[in-house]
This record gives sequence, C-alpha cells and structure tokens, in this order.
Amino acid sequence: DAKTTQPTSMDCAEGRAANLPCNHSTISGNEYVYWYRQIHSQGPQYIIHGLKNNETNEMASLIITEDRKSSTLILPHATLRDTAVYYCIVRPEGGATNKLIFGTGTLLAVQP
Amino acid sequence: DAMVIQNPRYQVTQFGKPVTLSCSQTLNHNVMYWYQQKSSQAPKLLFHYYDKDFNNEADTPDNFQSRRPNTSFCFLDIRSPGLGDAAMYLCATSLDRLSTDTQYFGPGTRLTVL
Repeated sequence: DAKTTQPTSMDCAEGRAANLPCNHSTISGNEYVYWYRQIHSQGPQYIIHGLKNNETNEMASLIITEDRKSSTLILPHATLRDTAVYYCIVRPEGGATNKLIFGTGTLLAVQP
Repeated sequence: DAMVIQNPRYQVTQFGKPVTLSCSQTLNHNVMYWYQQKSSQAPKLLFHYYDKDFNNEADTPDNFQSRRPNTSFCFLDIRSPGLGDAAMYLCATSLDRLSTDTQYFGPGTRLTVL
C-alpha cells in the first residue's frame, strides 16, 4: 500500500480555511485517497475520498494534483469543533480486507 | 439514526482476567472490524468479519479473539489481558470490502488493565 506523509501539526484561525496537505508519491493508478478525522476520545470519522478528480461534500473539499502524488484537504471555514487529528489514507481498489492503514496524521488545532 | 454502538465506553479489568467488549450496528452492514489504538498512536486493524467469515491480521496476537453471532453484533474477547493491551478498541462497519466502501466507526471502548 502506498505510504502517506503529513505534517505532524497545524494551526488555523477560527473562520479561516484550513488546508491540510498529504504526500503520496508512490500512489498507483487504482488507489483512492481517503480522509478521516478523529476528535479526541472519539472514533474516526469519514470525511471525503477521491481517485483523480477533485471532490467536494458538505464537510470539505479534496484537491488531488494531476500527477496524483499529493492532495490537499480543505475545510472552508474551520470551527473549534474541527480540532482533531486528520488522517490521509491511500486505499487500493479491491483486495480482500478493505482495511484502513492509518499513518501518524496531522493534529489540526483551530484557534479562537 | 443508523449507527455503530460500543459498550461499555470504559472497561477496567485485572491483569490476566478475561474481558469481552461488544459492538452492535443498525446499518445492516456485511463487514465488521476491530481496531486497536494505543495511546498517541494510530488505529491498527486486529481482524474483521465478512459476514460469518473471520479474517485475522497476521500480526494479531492469539490472545485476541472475536465472535459474530449475527449480522448486528460482534464481540472482542481478550483471553488474558496484559498491561500492554490497555488501549482504545474501535469497532467499525462497512457495507462491503470494496475500496469505495466507507467504514463507519463507533465511539470506542477504552480498556484499562490493572
């Protein structure tokens, strides 16, 4: 499975956009990019996923570079409740387990 | 609301005393997973059930077992908990095992071993 690299931590001012980068330079053509987040003492929460095209939902936007070697998760208007560890995960298509291999993630601290 | 429920949220057990954690789901999903998350670490998959088919991860210790008596329920049994088994245990479900199948997590059970 492709490895991901994320900054250990980031700060963001409340109300501003939070841009969380992820490097996945060894990603292969059939691998999806997934984002989950984990608020302290809670289970991980699905945010968004994509393959090649940029994606947007009610929570966030996902921008994937044309070469697919990196991506950025955008929270358009961060709130204090968005403070969490954000995990970027690359998942192969198919396979027998569909397991999530979590990396170290980025701790996003939204400041008032 | 459809959801993944874990009970209890906090469990304390003694060294070597068997303990069972439970998970239930109202999503009617085929797949149920158990992850272990130690302090300041990322979650790590222990095993999963695809319907009634049990799938163990290669590095999951024999001390950990699981049961899935029906679609809705899945149990994690720790036969002889050691101090190193203190962790958050997360249950998750997905409709199927395709890479486009989102996993939905419960709130977790925090296990303390005395």
